[in-house]
Amino acid sequence: EVQLKESGPGLVQPSQTLSLTCTVSGFSLTDYSVHWVRQPPGKGLEWMGVMWSGGSTAYNSALKSRLSISRDTSKSQVFLKMNSLQTEDTAIYYCTRFDFWGPGTMVTVSS
Amino acid sequence: DVVLTQTPVAQPVTLGDQASISCRSSQSLVHSNGNTYLEWYLQKPGQSPQLLIYKVSNRFSGVPDRFIGSGSGSDFTLKISRVEPEDLGVYYCFQATHDYTFGAGTKLELK
Repeated sequence: EVQLKESGPGLVQPSQTLSLTCTVSGFSLTDYSVHWVRQPPGKGLEWMGVMWSGGSTAYNSALKSRLSISRDTSKSQVFLKMNSLQTEDTAIYYCTRFDFWGPGTMVTVSS
Repeated sequence: DVVLTQTPVAQPVTLGDQASISCRSSQSLVHSNGNTYLEWYLQKPGQSPQLLIYKVSNRFSGVPDRFIGSGSGSDFTLKISRVEPEDLGVYYCFQATHDYTFGAGTKLELK
């Protein structure tokens, strides 16, 4: 069964760095790409970036300067790091294959 | 960057009615490989988005045939015939031809 699950801190202080982990099961990261998508409270979806199955990455141009995505295939994990967080980065963060989605993890940026 | 414009913003419906949602792109979504990577997602309250339609008109596994995607180039439509209670939520169109972009969403709600 394909599953994705996000994990990370629920609260991050302004100007700090967000680190999230997406742990997958039921498929290999070398066969499928994994994307990160976020959704501010009450708002729409924003594509953030992707870890391609081949190991390369691509990022939303609006976030590129702050965002880094990496992976550990041996642990079936994809990592998101985003620095210089501000209150507008408060959102639910999803990892997804698009045909399957994680439940999301809420991240609040606040002091 | 590609902009997807969804209309209407909200669609009040009576159960059993047909609903129609439009998604217009700021540029053609025909990829150089000939495919058109236009997808539709439904996000029910408190849930992750779920894939309904991929490549304009292909229903994802388990999606009822009352969901019909159509269109070409830069103009696309999702029709839902005989709306049922489990169809209520926010519908997003999404393109994966030129990077990745979500539409702003259309809320399908009861009259």
